[in-house]
This record gives sequence, structure tokens and C-alpha cells, in this order.
Amino acid sequence: KAGVTQTPRYLIKTRGQQVTLSCSPISGHRSVSWYQQTPGQGLQFLFEYFSETQRNKGNFPGRFSGRQFSNSRSEMNVSTLELGDSALYLCASSFGQDFYNEQFFGPGTRLTVL
Amino acid sequence: DAKTTQPNSMESNEEEPVHLPCNHSTISGTDYIHWYRQLPSQGPEYVIHGLTSNVNNRMASLAIAEDRKSSTLILHRATLRDAAVYYCILRVRDTGRRALTFGSGTRLQVQP
Repeated sequence: KAGVTQTPRYLIKTRGQQVTLSCSPISGHRSVSWYQQTPGQGLQFLFEYFSETQRNKGNFPGRFSGRQFSNSRSEMNVSTLELGDSALYLCASSFGQDFYNEQFFGPGTRLTVL
Repeated sequence: DAKTTQPNSMESNEEEPVHLPCNHSTISGTDYIHWYRQLPSQGPEYVIHGLTSNVNNRMASLAIAEDRKSSTLILHRATLRDAAVYYCILRVRDTGRRALTFGSGTRLQVQP
């Protein structure tokens, strides 16, 4: 079974631009969560989706948004990029909505904002 | 969210057991204890989880204190591949959130 895939793996943008990152969950998984990882703040939760609905959102500005499609694939978008948005963006999927379900992480997208 | 406390770093020798501690004194009765680890240049991966009883799987064992205020992840024979950051995470049922709240974790170094 293929794992969680994220595209692109690396991205370089300049301040003020916008970016869209993509995540394909493991086949059959309907829950997708996004995280931002930086050296200073560690791993922080961005948002989670289940069946195309955003279920929870972390403490990030409105420039960060996401969506989930009917095939469970998910995208996140960051508008008006700032230098501080440089980070590793990780996507994780899990089978259902059960509270204790294991999350499977992708390799991440490394975003550099210049 | 309920908070966990872990040492910043630990060292071990290859093929020796490793005990990674975690304190979670504010845990409530329905909170699960999960462990994930992040190998260099990879996303985190699930290791083990438990509620009250000790748990074993092919990767590790989880020993949970009787009062549940602390737990220990046990790697029975550390290998070089086990060098990673280990995160102890409480999954708090009452928040309704399935996503994980990561702390700073313990960086484990394994010496040959």
C-alpha cells in the first residue's frame, strides 16, 4: 500500500507570493491533518479534515487555508507569503475519525520563502 | 491541551535497552498516551500507544505508571536506526480533535 505522498517536495517562493501544497492520503483514509515544522516552534497543528469538512483549526492566521476533495486528497494554501512561513509542511492521514487512530505522515514539503 | 514533559536529549549505546521517560501529571481518565518518533529528514512515525495497561509491539514497549501521571517508552535493543526525536503525546478526547499536539520531544543519540 502506498504511503502518504506530498507534492512538491521542495519549493522556493518570494515574499508576497502564494503557494499551494498537495497531499494524497493512504488509500481508504478519510482524515487528513496538516502540520508546520520549524526549528523555533517545532511541530504545530494547522488544520484537519474529514470527509471534505474542516473539523479543527490550529492557531494560524487566515493566510493559511486548506481544503479536502471527495477523493480525500487535500491541499493547503498560504497567501501573501512571509519569511517566517519558511518551514517543513507535513501532512498526515488516518483511517477514520476514531480518537486513537494512528496517523501516517508524509515526507513533507520544504518551503523556503526568500 | 494536557501537557507532557520529556528530557531534551538522551544517549544510549547500540544493542542496549533505552528507557525514555515522559511526565503527564495533568492527564485525565480518557486521555491516551501516544508515542511518535521522527527520524532525520522524515515525517514522524507512530511507535505505540496505551491507555492504562502496559503495551508491547514489534517496535517497543510502553510502561504506564499506576496513577498514569508518567510513562516510559522502552526500546529493548537500540540500533543506530533508532536515533530520532521521540515525542510523547496525550490524545485528549474532550477536545474532539484527532490531530496531534507535539511537544519538544527527546532527541535520542545512539552510539555504536
